[in-house]
Amino acid sequence: AIRMTQSPSSFSASTGDRVTITCRASQGISNYLAWYQQKPGKAPKLLIYGASTLQSGVPSTFSGSGSGTDFTLTISWLQSEDFATYYCQQYYSYPLTFGGGTKVEIK
Amino acid sequence: EEQLVDSGGGLVQPGGSLRLSCAASGFTFTNYAMTWVRQTPGKGLEWVSAISGGGDNTYYADSVKGRFTISRDNSKNTLFVQMNSLRAEDTAIYYCARLKRGGDYVDYWGQGTLVTVSS
Repeated sequence: AIRMTQSPSSFSASTGDRVTITCRASQGISNYLAWYQQKPGKAPKLLIYGASTLQSGVPSTFSGSGSGTDFTLTISWLQSEDFATYYCQQYYSYPLTFGGGTKVEIK
Repeated sequence: EEQLVDSGGGLVQPGGSLRLSCAASGFTFTNYAMTWVRQTPGKGLEWVSAISGGGDNTYYADSVKGRFTISRDNSKNTLFVQMNSLRAEDTAIYYCARLKRGGDYVDYWGQGTLVTVSS
């Protein structure tokens, strides 16, 4: 199975900050990577697929990049509603696998 | 509007069985592969199983292979997972989800149903 490793596992930031979360695959997955946002008590929400394509309705403050094994999710201007946990997921091959998550907390 | 409604969760003893259901609406169910993803309370997401639109292809995580069976009834727009030989480590919120056509990532999620395996 392809292992997905996210870093950091958590961090604190302030509204208005630019933040970057990284996701590394244990083998090359081309651009078959999705990012999700999850808030407490809610199901995850799709943000990005194809490593860099923004899902409809997602603010343009979110962006994704990368290919192969290394990927990043960037929030260019952190807003209050962005404090949440973020997960990457590879869909290059089964079994589908998720990263361990990155919790973005308010500083 | 696309909607997925999970049900069937509850408390079950170790070694017991449970069947989860997911009622889909707002889209052509048979056109989409579907999946189950679980989340231990306070922990991360774990993919469990997936099934193709026609139901002829199924996939399982090693952790549930041989114990869980995914199925679907396209005439009733419903997804199922039969969970047997349940263990304490199967305790989680189980989410039904739709896989995007042309890419196995989730574009719609159910609200989740809690399964607790405990004596």
